[in-house]
Amino acid sequence: GAGVSQSPSNKVTEKGKDVELRCDPISGHTALYWYRQSLGQGLEFLIYFQGNSAPDKSGLPSDRFSAERTGGSVSTLTIQRTQQEDSAVYLCASSRYRDSYNEQFFGPGTRLTVL
Amino acid sequence: DAKTTQPTSMDCAEGRAANLPCNHSTISGNEYVYWYRQIHSQGPQYIIHGLKNNETNEMASLIITEDRKSSTLILPHATLRDTAVYYCIALGAGGTSYGKLTFGQGTILTVHP
Repeated sequence: GAGVSQSPSNKVTEKGKDVELRCDPISGHTALYWYRQSLGQGLEFLIYFQGNSAPDKSGLPSDRFSAERTGGSVSTLTIQRTQQEDSAVYLCASSRYRDSYNEQFFGPGTRLTVL
Repeated sequence: DAKTTQPTSMDCAEGRAANLPCNHSTISGNEYVYWYRQIHSQGPQYIIHGLKNNETNEMASLIITEDRKSSTLILPHATLRDTAVYYCIALGAGGTSYGKLTFGQGTILTVHP
């Protein structure tokens, strides 16, 4: 079946512009996660959605970052007034949640470059 | 979440078993050991997880020591496509840490012909 998809695959923007990144999770997965991975760095948690519960936003680095998940499916990560330090690969993952373990299925990521 | 320590890099010949160690000496009783890998330019991929018993699936085996302070991921017949960065993570199955995967530097496994 279809895996997690993300769009666009690459995004180049100018400093100060807003960007929107999209994630389509695996159908039926109730949990959705956003991470970012900077060059040569590990994985950094950003935000987590579970069903209709309030999202866990504890990893968002600043108030320029926001995310929403509509209809319990598609999610959009928005970065306002982008800065060069926002350049990274943004990864989305989904999981069934009711499992007792964290098997997360990742998308291919969106590579964001802020000039 | 418990800190994990892995070697920076390892080599393995194609067709041979790759044994990747991980130390997690401060792991608590309710933390699982998870292994993910990331092939170049792809998203991370779940491999296997375990609590205290050894586990096996179609991709790998996970051997956890009796005191749970270390584990070994075994790829029984490594192929060139197994060349990737392998991450060992200790994480609780619930609570505030749920879902928050945090990868360190991992082990760069290179499988050579």
